[in-house]
Amino acid sequence: KNQVEQSPQSLIILEGKNCTLQCNYTVSPFSNLRWYKQDTGRGPVSLTIMTFSENTKSNGRYTATLDADTKQSSLHITASQLSDSASYICVVSDRGSTLGRLYFGRGTQLTVWP
Amino acid sequence: EADIYQTPRYLVIGTGKKITLECSQTMGHDKMYWYQQDPGMELHLIHYSYGVNSTEKGDLSSESTVSRIRTEHFPLTLESARPSHTSQYLCASSGGQRDFQSTDTQYFGPGTRLTVL
Repeated sequence: KNQVEQSPQSLIILEGKNCTLQCNYTVSPFSNLRWYKQDTGRGPVSLTIMTFSENTKSNGRYTATLDADTKQSSLHITASQLSDSASYICVVSDRGSTLGRLYFGRGTQLTVWP
Repeated sequence: EADIYQTPRYLVIGTGKKITLECSQTMGHDKMYWYQQDPGMELHLIHYSYGVNSTEKGDLSSESTVSRIRTEHFPLTLESARPSHTSQYLCASSGGQRDFQSTDTQYFGPGTRLTVL
């Protein structure tokens, strides 16, 4: 069964600290993996996208890694800011049929305290 | 910030009412989607469209219906709302080729929070 599991479910860190969010997936065949940021009451916004051949991608203070062999990804946030408080969603796309589809994780709820 | 809009942002209605959730995008994207999201849960695809006059049901069974008469507009309608329809509804769009959802990034609207009493 194609699934996307994220950990931890929630995380609280102090402003200025770093953190790493995890994503494990069983989606096959794999096409790409995205990390989205969803602020409370808003729609998700894309942070990074990685294909099979890419193992790291950065977007400012956000760095995503991908290990396609172990089917794991991580999102590292450096020097956290209060505005980083949000849900971070891992999304994996497959190419298993004539229609690719997206598999969503439940997200990690990150809270940054001053 | 993506140019995709949803109205209303919040809606509280009584059981049995007919409602339409509006979604519009100004990016000229061919593909549009509706997702349902409950707190702490993953997004579930309920409808999608490849383009004008194209609509398909998604993975999650839904009593709602959609239409795509214009490229930029993808409204969702509930003929008779029930408390089980209480949820957040997110609209998204994407461009690119007809390889549905595979490679092009989806841009999401702000969502409509629906509460049915």
